[in-house]
Amino acid sequence: DGGITQSPKYLFRKEGQNVTLSCEQNLNHDAMYWYRQDPGQGLRLIYYSQIVNDFQKGDIAEGYSVSREKKESFPLTVTSAQKNPTAFYLCASRTTTGWDSPLHFGNGTRLTVT
Amino acid sequence: AQTVTQSQPEMSVQEAETVTLSCTYDTSENNYYLFWYKQPPSRQMILVIRQEAYKQQNATENRFSVNFQKAAKSFSLKISDSQLGDTAMYFCAFLAPYSGTYKYIFGTGTRLKVLA
Repeated sequence: DGGITQSPKYLFRKEGQNVTLSCEQNLNHDAMYWYRQDPGQGLRLIYYSQIVNDFQKGDIAEGYSVSREKKESFPLTVTSAQKNPTAFYLCASRTTTGWDSPLHFGNGTRLTVT
Repeated sequence: AQTVTQSQPEMSVQEAETVTLSCTYDTSENNYYLFWYKQPPSRQMILVIRQEAYKQQNATENRFSVNFQKAAKSFSLKISDSQLGDTAMYFCAFLAPYSGTYKYIFGTGTRLKVLA
């Protein structure tokens, strides 16, 4: 079955450490996205990529970095510069062949930094 | 800049009743897309329904329908015959692809609880 896989489901890190969240999709989608979800704030866009080897900053990119070396993969690194990294992170993808094609989401990664 | 507002943080409805969730947005674009997503306790986001701005007919998907008022920039979701499985967070989202980007803008969500 096609879908988006985020791993791990739960991640714990010490403050000051960088951590990378994995996102893999086998839907053959060109566009991929990273969102951060906090209580009462909805989904906020961190980074997105519409094609391999290209990506754009979203609304809250500071303290995060991404790469898009393969169509299937869009890993997110949470750096030590991110002031409040504890959150739920959602990866999504979509095809770009239709204007109204919806986002398909992974199951998310809950990151806790102490 | 586009914004999406969901003014009802929490709502509840009795099983089998009808409930309407509100969403308003602000944009200067003339053509765009609107979506409702559901996030159940499992936290898996699922598309519920979508609407194209140039289509006057309101979208319907089984028990889910929208009331799209373009002039008022309003996009409410109506759930008929509510079921316990409808308990979830509901997010309204906006996309204006003609602006040159594919940035989806999400509201802050409405937590819906269906009561037995």
